Amino acid sequence: DAMVIQNPRYQVTQFGKPVTLSCSQTLNHNVMYWYQQKSSQAPKLLFHYYDKDFNNEADTPDNFQSRRPNTSFCFLDIRSPGLGDAAMYLCATSRGLTSVADTQYFGPGTRLTVL
Amino acid sequence: QKEVEQDPGPLSVPEGAIVSLNCTYSNSAFQYFMWYRQYSRKGPELLMYTYSSGNKEDGRFTAQVDKSSKYISLFIRDSQPSDSATYLCAMGFGAAGNKLTFGGGTRVLVKP
Repeated sequence: DAMVIQNPRYQVTQFGKPVTLSCSQTLNHNVMYWYQQKSSQAPKLLFHYYDKDFNNEADTPDNFQSRRPNTSFCFLDIRSPGLGDAAMYLCATSRGLTSVADTQYFGPGTRLTVL
Repeated sequence: QKEVEQDPGPLSVPEGAIVSLNCTYSNSAFQYFMWYRQYSRKGPELLMYTYSSGNKEDGRFTAQVDKSSKYISLFIRDSQPSDSATYLCAMGFGAAGNKLTFGGGTRVLVKP
């Protein structure tokens, strides 16, 4: 089945220790998104890629970076995690950006714990 | 004031009851409206989307949009314990990069 896969599902890191989260997709979608979702809160968009074009949200901290080496994979790098970065990180994909039919499909998420 | 408001619940109903969920929003430019279901420790799963005002039905689910009141609803008929989840509404602008604005989610518990 075509899907969005996130690894690992659970990640524990130490305060200030860099961490990388991974997302892959078999949908061959052009757009990949990263969201942060804290407990009982709405998902918050961090950034997205349309193909290789990177689009950062204005309020995304510099501590968060992303890489998309090819169509299938996208990585979220947190350079110096703080306690406030503990959250569920969701990857999503969509075929495009301009049509109501370009709905977003989410992966299962990676739950990040910062000690 | 948040752009999209959603009662966090929890909303507890007996099996077989109708579940009624809603969101209000402040930006009249939103053009399309979605409902996602999110099980505990899982990613959101798209349930339904509607474009502009009106009703849309899909099996046990009915989505309604009232743009004049800036109010959207999701109804779940004949609710099942497997419907227990958090339901997130989301809204977008058709020509603004597919960016979605989510509500905070309503937790629903359907008791057998």
